Amino acid sequence: ELKVEQNPLFLSMQEGKNYTIYCNYSTTSDRLYWYRQDPGKSLESLFVLLSNGAVKQEGRLMASLDTKARLSTLHITAAVHDLSATYFCAVVRNDYKLSFGAGTTVTVRA
Amino acid sequence: DAGVIQSPRHEVTEMGQEVTLRCKPISGHNSLFWYRQTMMRGLELLIYFNNNVPIDDSGMPEDRFSAKMPNASFSTLKIQPSEPRDSAVYFCASSLQGLDLRAFFGQGTRLTVV
Repeated sequence: ELKVEQNPLFLSMQEGKNYTIYCNYSTTSDRLYWYRQDPGKSLESLFVLLSNGAVKQEGRLMASLDTKARLSTLHITAAVHDLSATYFCAVVRNDYKLSFGAGTTVTVRA
Repeated sequence: DAGVIQSPRHEVTEMGQEVTLRCKPISGHNSLFWYRQTMMRGLELLIYFNNNVPIDDSGMPEDRFSAKMPNASFSTLKIQPSEPRDSAVYFCASSLQGLDLRAFFGQGTRLTVV
């Protein structure tokens, strides 16, 4: 069974500082997704990482994938308040099943 | 495109009643997923349709749950009879099969069974 583990599960960030969220998964997969969910809202796709070494950046967020280590990271640069949300990584198995991590709840404080 | 559309957004029902959740996927997408989200279990895949055909329903909790996709633009998830432990947010998502496979989620239906 594919297991996806995120850490930390809760992250209190100070505005202006840098942080990293880690996503480990247990079996081989070459597709990894990052989603954002605001409280009471839907999941919004942030990044799709399709190959080893893939790096995607959007604004203050940068995601990378190391398929050999079965590890993806989501790096947040100079955190700002509007990045407060829950971030999920998800890994594909059997070509369609998305297995989600438990999510990392991020709170950015002044 | 309006995205994945779910209805209702909120549903409160009494235990034992039938509940039907509805989903309209993004036009042109050929894969549809029903997920359930709870604090205890996170996001769980309930059922996956490809080209309107149920491919994997291994996540459906029990026989009280059923899902249909009569055509490419509509799907339902039915719970009969409902129980308090079914209270959760139910998401429908759709995607286009291919290398990307990114799933686009609807706004969800928050179900409360009392």
